[in-house]
Amino acid sequence: EAGVAQSPRYKIIEKRQSVAFWCNPISGHATLYWYQQILGQGPKLLIQFQNNGVVDDSQLPKDRFSAERLKGVDSTLKIQPAKLEDSAVYLCASSLSYWSSNSPLHFGNGTRLTVT
Amino acid sequence: SQQGEEDPQALSIQEGENATMNCSYKTSINNLQWYRQNSGRGLVHLILIRSNEREKHSGRLRVTLDTSKKSSSLLITASRAADTASYFCATDAGAAGNKLTFGGGTRVLVKP
Repeated sequence: EAGVAQSPRYKIIEKRQSVAFWCNPISGHATLYWYQQILGQGPKLLIQFQNNGVVDDSQLPKDRFSAERLKGVDSTLKIQPAKLEDSAVYLCASSLSYWSSNSPLHFGNGTRLTVT
Repeated sequence: SQQGEEDPQALSIQEGENATMNCSYKTSINNLQWYRQNSGRGLVHLILIRSNEREKHSGRLRVTLDTSKKSSSLLITASRAADTASYFCATDAGAAGNKLTFGGGTRVLVKP
């Protein structure tokens, strides 16, 4: 079974620039998550999709972050404009079940973003 | 604020020793999960324990759950250098069981 694919692996941008991350979940996984992990901290949920619909985006800074999951498969997360505090690893995860407490999350290796 | 908090924040042990880390949480849960994260990689699911379970084993891992104290522990027995990683507990938001919240993690260093 192929894992969760993410690209790019690393990205360095200047503040106020824009950036996009891509994620392809495990085949058949209906639920997709984007997490932000700041160095030394645990992952923080940004947005959760069920198929192509948003389930939870309560912690997504919507003035600068956007995400979409067209056709209910792969997803992109965009930041525009980026701020210094956006420097973090952005992790994509997928799960078979809508109920993440019953179904393990499968994570990609993340995109490490550095904003200078 | 984070639902789960791990303790200690960091742990250094010799190969062959046992490693124990704890997770405390604030509100009622349906299930609790433990994940491992190697440096520069994504998180890997280790074990899920349901609120009606008290103990669960998987290989060299032992997880306990005490819902009265709102705490869980992860024990790694006979540690190996390959166990060097960060370990996170994740709890669901009770009634909203579709949302997992991660703690800050315990960083474990196993010295050969």
